[in-house]
Amino acid sequence: KQEVTQIPAALSVPEGENLVLNCSFTDSAIYNLQWFRQDPGKGLTSLLLIQSSQREQTSGRLNASLDKSSGRSTLYIAASQPGDSATYLCAASGTYKYIFGTGTRLKVLA
Amino acid sequence: DAGVIQSPRHEVTEMGQEVTLRCKPISGHNSLFWYRQTMMRGLELLIYFNNNVPIDDSGMPEDRFSAKMPNASFSTLKIQPSEPRDSAVYFCASSLEGQRGEETQYFGPGTRLLVL
Repeated sequence: KQEVTQIPAALSVPEGENLVLNCSFTDSAIYNLQWFRQDPGKGLTSLLLIQSSQREQTSGRLNASLDKSSGRSTLYIAASQPGDSATYLCAASGTYKYIFGTGTRLKVLA
Repeated sequence: DAGVIQSPRHEVTEMGQEVTLRCKPISGHNSLFWYRQTMMRGLELLIYFNNNVPIDDSGMPEDRFSAKMPNASFSTLKIQPSEPRDSAVYFCASSLEGQRGEETQYFGPGTRLLVL
C-alpha cells in the first residue's frame, strides 16, 4: 500500500530564501508524481507533474525532482516570496489513483 | 474554460439530514474524482468515474455515501443520513485520462460541509 510522507509539516522562512520541500513514497511503482499548491479555503492547483520516466520538471522559480529508486521527490522554490505562502502537497500516482501526502505549510515572511 | 465547478460552496446541516454535493467537470474530460479532506486524514479519494462509469468506490466510507454520474458533465455525491463525522471539505476533480493515467487532475474549489 502506497504511503506518502512530507517533511517538514510546516516551514517559515524570510523572503528571498531558496527552500526545499521533501516528499517520500513507499512504493516506487508510480506512474507520476505531482506537486500541488493549496491556499487557505481553496482547492488544489497543480504546480508540476513529473512522469515516471522523467527526473525533473521546471516552471519558473519552481523545480521538482523525482528519484524513484529512493522513493523521493523534492520541490525547490527559488527566491521565495510572500505570495508563495500556502500548503504544498505531493501526490504519487499509480494509474488514476493519487495518494496524497499531508502537506507542508509554508509561510514566507516579508 | 471555467474549470471544475462545485456547488454549494458551503453547507451547514443537522445530523440525519440528506446532503447532496454537485460537480460539473471540465468539458471534454473523461475522468472524475471525489475526494474528502480532513485535518486528521488529509486528502482521501472517495470514488473515481471513467467515462461516467464508477471504476473504484473503495474509498466510500459506508453505505450512507453514494455517488452518481448520469452524464459527462454532471456528478453528485450524496450523504444520507449525514453525521457530524462527515464534516469535511469535499473536492471534485477531473482529468483527461489517457492510457497510463499520467494526466493532471484539476480540482474544484470544494464544498465545506458542517454537520451539526
